[in-house]
Amino acid sequence: NAGVMQNPRHLVRRRGQEARLRCSPMKGHSHVYWYRQLPEEGLKFMVYLQKENIIDESGMPKERFSAEFPKEGPSILRIQQVVRGDSAAYFCASSQTANTGELFFGEGSRLTVL
Amino acid sequence: ILNVEQSPQSLHVQEGDSTNFTCSFPSSNFYALHWYRWETAKSPEALFVMTLNGDEKKKGRISATLNTKEGYSYLYIKGSQPEDSATYLCAFRYSGGGADGLTFGKGTHLIIQP
Repeated sequence: NAGVMQNPRHLVRRRGQEARLRCSPMKGHSHVYWYRQLPEEGLKFMVYLQKENIIDESGMPKERFSAEFPKEGPSILRIQQVVRGDSAAYFCASSQTANTGELFFGEGSRLTVL
Repeated sequence: ILNVEQSPQSLHVQEGDSTNFTCSFPSSNFYALHWYRWETAKSPEALFVMTLNGDEKKKGRISATLNTKEGYSYLYIKGSQPEDSATYLCAFRYSGGGADGLTFGKGTHLIIQP
């Protein structure tokens, strides 16, 4: 049973470009969460999605960031017009149930903005 | 803003010794407390999900306790082994009002010295 798969593992972008990070949850999991880890910081919640729905995006920056979890395919975190401050590790996690369910994490996507 | 504090930030322990560290979280609107183990270059892995005051959970040599009234949880490792070296994260989920994500502490970085 494959775990949470994230790709790419490493992504380099120049300022102003777009970054797309993909996450395939564990089989049977319909709850997906995105977290960001800035240098010297802990994991910060960004967004929680179920299939085709954004449930909570209270941790998402208001501009340039968006997330989706379509009926078919992986969840995608999209960052438009990247800036240097977007450089971070982005982790995706999935769970079988909401609320008390333990999270299963991917290995993260490390974005570097030049 | 929810504050989840972990102490100490880092810890060096001799192989064979037992150790423990703390997670402090808001004592109001408690829903669940998670512990994760995060080895370098891997993804965080769930250890425990605790929901009831007075909960004690155990997995091998690792155990955890929970006090929701005073807002703290302890993680204990008995007879530390080199493979226990990792960062241990706690994460708090509160009840009510929207956010389904976890608020993570910055972790306790544990190094077991042979």
